[in-house]
Amino acid sequence: DAGITQSPRHKVTETGTPVTLRCHQTENHRYMYWYRQDPGHGLRLIHYSYGVKDTDKGEVSDGYSVSRSKTEDFLLTLESATSSQTSVYFCAISETTGITGNTIYFGEGSWLTVV
Amino acid sequence: GQQVMQIPQYQHVQEGEDFTTYCNSSTTLSNIQWYKQRPGGHPVFLIQLVKSGEVKKQKRLTFQFGEAKKNSSLHITATQTTDVGTYFCAGERAAGNKLTFGGGTRVLVKP
Repeated sequence: DAGITQSPRHKVTETGTPVTLRCHQTENHRYMYWYRQDPGHGLRLIHYSYGVKDTDKGEVSDGYSVSRSKTEDFLLTLESATSSQTSVYFCAISETTGITGNTIYFGEGSWLTVV
Repeated sequence: GQQVMQIPQYQHVQEGEDFTTYCNSSTTLSNIQWYKQRPGGHPVFLIQLVKSGEVKKQKRLTFQFGEAKKNSSLHITATQTTDVGTYFCAGERAAGNKLTFGGGTRVLVKP
């Protein structure tokens, strides 16, 4: 498995509180991603990063912010958690292979429950 | 935006039987990838298809990329209990772009 560590792995939080999920990689890959997985929706991209301090929005970015101050760390912040953000969050990394594109390697996941 | 659809959403298979799951994109793809997620686990990369009409095999799994590079299929022969999980396809519109995942096919195997 790729060297990806997510923390915390499980968290229960109250509505309205801020939450930060951390992703740490040891592969020195350029690209990092945050996905959320919900029943019936598959994997949806929240935000991604293509380098230190270079980030962009995915398809479900509302209510989330990210930061990448070091190559190895990518943080996902829920500014004010809502029940609709209860989900499993996966961090992923990739190193583009040019012609053949990206292959993504996923972390173990972070289970977040907002009550 | 780009959409990737997978059918069926659920697949109940008798152990030993074959089945196929399908993936369709609303746009032409540069490449398509398949991932498997075991229950409670994380998605794991299986394979990538790049060429039009490409067919690749991994033991009992056969992956195919359509001629128009807008669809793909995964065929599993002689299903085993180890095949249980959710299979995702993911398409890339241009090499180096973001992957768009399908909703997945959840496979359940009856012994």
